[in-house]
Amino acid sequence: AQRVTQPEKLLSVFKGAPVELKCNYSYSGSPELFWYVQYSRQRLQLLLRHISRESIKGFTADLNKGETSFHLKKPFAQEEDSAMYYCALVTGNQFYFGTGTSLTVIP
Amino acid sequence: EAGVVQSPRYKIIEKKQPVAFWCNPISGHNTLYWYRQNLGQGPELLIRYENEEAVDDSQLPKDRFSAERLKGVDSTLKIQPAELGDSAVYLCASSLVGGITDTQYFGPGTRLTVL
Repeated sequence: AQRVTQPEKLLSVFKGAPVELKCNYSYSGSPELFWYVQYSRQRLQLLLRHISRESIKGFTADLNKGETSFHLKKPFAQEEDSAMYYCALVTGNQFYFGTGTSLTVIP
Repeated sequence: EAGVVQSPRYKIIEKKQPVAFWCNPISGHNTLYWYRQNLGQGPELLIRYENEEAVDDSQLPKDRFSAERLKGVDSTLKIQPAELGDSAVYLCASSLVGGITDTQYFGPGTRLTVL
């Protein structure tokens, strides 16, 4: 069963435009959710986690338990935001990644 | 700080051959993870170690995959024999403390091609 769904494989936005990367999860308990990012030729790294409720590089993500979503948002996209973004979910002892969204910010 | 080190970076083998991947975590990190990432997919957790103990290997295909983490530091993941469907990137990650919610630091991965 797919635990984490990222419906968009590819997403393109213009520089300065708002961006939203969608993530929906399937879990009946209290989820712990993360966004990981992989920039070109770099390693996969943590961007943010919902429990911290922090903004990293201008990105925020709010957990919506009613909609079982954890969408990643940024009000003004920058070219350096172009990367692969993975939403991830912890349930019990397991860690599940989504299939990822490749974001391209067009200059 | 080199971060998580993995070797080799690339490996090409014929099916039915054995293959092994090595991972050295960040110094002081107790938890080590092995993931498999198929093309176009997110990483899939295979096994997680807390020190030298495998605390979760439920996703590891035990008929052909094995892993070890002797002395609780570096780790080896082995496939014997390899199949065509094993072609993927194998990622190693480590985290400082126990608990699967800790920040994971990933290595560069080993890209395996099985012919």
